[in-house]
Amino acid sequence: DTGVSQDPRHKITKRGQNVTFRCDPISEHNRLYWYRQTLGQGPEFLTYFQNEAQLEKSRLLSDRFSAERPKGSFSTLEIQRTEQGDSAMYLCASSPGFNQPQHFGDGTRLSIL
Amino acid sequence: RKEVEQDPGPFNVPEGATVAFNCTYSNSASQSFFWYRQDCRKEPKLLMSVYSSGNEDGRFTAQLNRASQYISLLIRDSKLSDSATYLCVVNQGEYSGGGADGLTFGKGTHLIIQP
Repeated sequence: DTGVSQDPRHKITKRGQNVTFRCDPISEHNRLYWYRQTLGQGPEFLTYFQNEAQLEKSRLLSDRFSAERPKGSFSTLEIQRTEQGDSAMYLCASSPGFNQPQHFGDGTRLSIL
Repeated sequence: RKEVEQDPGPFNVPEGATVAFNCTYSNSASQSFFWYRQDCRKEPKLLMSVYSSGNEDGRFTAQLNRASQYISLLIRDSKLSDSATYLCVVNQGEYSGGGADGLTFGKGTHLIIQP
């Protein structure tokens, strides 16, 4: 399978804990994106990378959120001191370049108890 | 970021019928346009890109009207398997050596094909 892969598929944690998600993009894609989706809404853009450089962050990305892509391949998204409102599906996508269609992974579903 | 608006539906359509969705976007500088399909509790999957000249892929036809800032999707001879949420998606970015490239999604139109 050469698509975008995300790990874990599901994460349940207590409020206040830190969580980290991983995304492996399609191998030849240099752009990687993170989105968040809550029930009944379309995905909302969080941040994106071109290679290892983080080029844009949404206002949704509070200071409790940090994303990295240290070697320009896989990326991690960390949420510190999780809150109830962080419960959502976190989606990763990749594309071969600017303005190109983005291909999504299966997502990580986060539930905060 | 500016908005993308769609009728959430649901659209209940008999199998074999033709159904059309529209979507409007507010940012006239938007660069590229797509329709994605999303099944319940699954990731969005690219259905088709949308070009100014209009484009067709089998039973699906997409149109873009830049002057009126709307995008349409037409599904002919609908199948039960077409039941899903259809997301209208716009890339509002302006390339400036790496500028904004995140997608803006509508909330989706829920389509139910009935046997």
